[in-house]
Amino acid sequence: KQEVTQIPAALSVPEGENLVLNCSFTDSAIYNLQWFRQDPGKGLTSLLLIQSSQREQTSGRLNASLDKSSGRSTLYIAASQPGDSATYLCAVSPTQGGSEKLVFGKGTKLTVNP
Amino acid sequence: DVKVTQSSRYLVKRTGEKVFLECVQDMDHENMFWYRQDPGLGLRLIYFSYDVKMKEKGDIPEGYSVSREKKERFSLILESASTNQTSMYLCASSLFLEQRPNEKLFFGSGTQLSVL
Repeated sequence: KQEVTQIPAALSVPEGENLVLNCSFTDSAIYNLQWFRQDPGKGLTSLLLIQSSQREQTSGRLNASLDKSSGRSTLYIAASQPGDSATYLCAVSPTQGGSEKLVFGKGTKLTVNP
Repeated sequence: DVKVTQSSRYLVKRTGEKVFLECVQDMDHENMFWYRQDPGLGLRLIYFSYDVKMKEKGDIPEGYSVSREKKERFSLILESASTNQTSMYLCASSLFLEQRPNEKLFFGSGTQLSVL
């Protein structure tokens, strides 16, 4: 059964720092991997989606990488800002057992201090 | 932009009440989902629908039912609300994945349900 792990559960950094969030998954049979952002008490917003055949995707100050063979993905945030404070979740779409049903990690809560 | 709208932001109900949570999406998506999110447990899938009148159980369907009479609307029903169903409920939608494998999942803003 696919499992997705995000470590650390929480991270606090000073403004301006570059940072990396980690995501690992146990089964490499995936269609894609998504990174989401969730603000307190709100729904999730998809930030980046990486196809299984891709190595990375970029959007503004965000860069997500995927190493499917090792079961790892990272979300790199450049020049962090207080507005980046949120919980970041990753999720994979498995090729077995229902590809529409994403498997989520529990998230990393990021705090960027001014 | 895709919009997924959940009818209530906050709900307070009493134990034993029948509760309806409504979700509407405006992008003609085939798939719709109901999740609940609890601290320390993450997101858990309750039910999933891949077409009108079609549904599939998720990881925690006990105590819940769903209805999808129209493509744009997916309702979650708590037949007899209990205190352990106090949670944040999130609706989501997406296109059918195997035809379009790079479609993102879109979420509503969530309904915080408290059962007293």
